[in-house]
Amino acid sequence: EAQVTQNPRYLITVTGKKLTVTCSQNMNHEYMSWYRQDPGLGLRQIYYSMNVEVTDKGDVPEGYKVSRKEKRNFPLILESPSPNQTSLYFCASSGDGGAWNTIYFGEGSWLTVV
Amino acid sequence: AQSVTQLDSQVPVFEEAPVELRCNYSSSVSVYLFWYVQYPNQGLQLLLKYLSGSTLVKGINGFEAEFNKSQTSFHLRKPSVHISDTAEYFCAVTSRNRDDKIIFGKGTRLHILP
Repeated sequence: EAQVTQNPRYLITVTGKKLTVTCSQNMNHEYMSWYRQDPGLGLRQIYYSMNVEVTDKGDVPEGYKVSRKEKRNFPLILESPSPNQTSLYFCASSGDGGAWNTIYFGEGSWLTVV
Repeated sequence: AQSVTQLDSQVPVFEEAPVELRCNYSSSVSVYLFWYVQYPNQGLQLLLKYLSGSTLVKGINGFEAEFNKSQTSFHLRKPSVHISDTAEYFCAVTSRNRDDKIIFGKGTRLHILP
């Protein structure tokens, strides 16, 4: 089954404790991206990657890092989480053409920073 | 740079009635346009997209949207809604120059009334 898998699905952490949200896709997609969803703000793109070793900032990259060492994986790293990073996070992937092709989303990761 | 405005944050509508969800965009370059749907506790999935050709685009679940370049709009319509259409709907835009950033609107919650 074609899917984007992200883990953990739910996490409560403390301010300053580094964490990584993993993301993996099994569709051999070149394009992968991370979004955060906040009430009243919709979906905002954090980072995206058009291929291995190629990453670019989205609209809200501050406080986040990503890496793309393998085609299937695109982890999101919060080096020093803060309460304003409490949010619902989505990983997504897309085939040839990137953002204009159909984007497939993971089920989301609820992150709470206290 | 692009921007997307979804004019209604919530739309209540009676079951079997027609519905229109409004989306306007702003861009200095030509764009691709999308509608995504998020059912409760799920990730987003593509409803339909406009890339080129006919300005009337048909999607899944009986939805359609019309691209109007002069009014910079991409409104989503369905002639008769069902309780299963209860969801949040997101309009999105990406530029044709393939910079692969995608901008989502803030979303419109569709409430189906029995």
